[in-house]
Amino acid sequence: QKEVEQDPGPLSVPEGAIVSLNCTYSNSAFQYFMWYRQYSRKGPELLMYTYSSGNKEDGRFTAQVDKSSKYISLFIRDSQPSDSATYLCAMEYGNKLVFGAGTILRVKS
Amino acid sequence: DGGITQSPKYLFRKEGQNVTLSCEQNLNHDAMYWYRQDPGQGLRLIYYSQIVNDFQKGDIAEGYSVSREKKESFPLTVTSAQKNPTAFYLCASSPDTDQPQHFGDGTRLSIL
Repeated sequence: QKEVEQDPGPLSVPEGAIVSLNCTYSNSAFQYFMWYRQYSRKGPELLMYTYSSGNKEDGRFTAQVDKSSKYISLFIRDSQPSDSATYLCAMEYGNKLVFGAGTILRVKS
Repeated sequence: DGGITQSPKYLFRKEGQNVTLSCEQNLNHDAMYWYRQDPGQGLRLIYYSQIVNDFQKGDIAEGYSVSREKKESFPLTVTSAQKNPTAFYLCASSPDTDQPQHFGDGTRLSIL
C-alpha cells in the first residue's frame, strides 16, 4: 500500500465549476500538508501549505485537512481553463516529503 | 528575480556515458533536493543536502551522485550505472528541511 494515494484522473470539468481534488494517506505521523500545481513540462508550484486539521483559504483555493480520517482535499472555486494542470498533494514528517502521483485536471471553456 | 534554475531543459545520454544536470538557486536556501518524476508516479527523492559539503541519499540514490561545494549549487550526475535514466528530473530548495520546497522547471533526460 502506498503511503499517499491520489486518483490520477483525468478530471474534466466545465469552466466555472467547483473542483474537488483529494488524497488519502496511511501514516498518521504526517504533520504538514501541501498542494502543488504542475503545468506540462514545468516544475511543481506550491499552492497551499497547512499543518493542522481544518480549512485554509487563499483566493479561489481552499485546502482541507481531516487528520482523523487521514484525508486531505483541495477545492477550486470558479474554475478557469488556466487551472488545467496536474495537482500533486504532498505530506511531510521528520524531514521526509512524500508525494501523491498527481491528478490531471482539465477545465473546458 | 529569485528562483531555481535548472539546465539544460533537455539532455540526451548515450549508453555508458555519465551526464551532469545543473541546479542553481539564488534564494539563499540551505537545503536542496533532487527528485525523479516518472509518468503516473509521485516524485521520488534521489539525494538531498541540508548544508554545504553535506548530502544524504534519498529513496533511489543508486546510479546517481551529487556534490554540494557551494550553497547555491547542487549538481546531479547520472552515471552509467543507472540503467533506466529516462525521466524528468526536478531540483528543489527550501530554507531548511522542515520548510516547504520550491522547484525548478526540470530537466528531461532521454537515452539515445
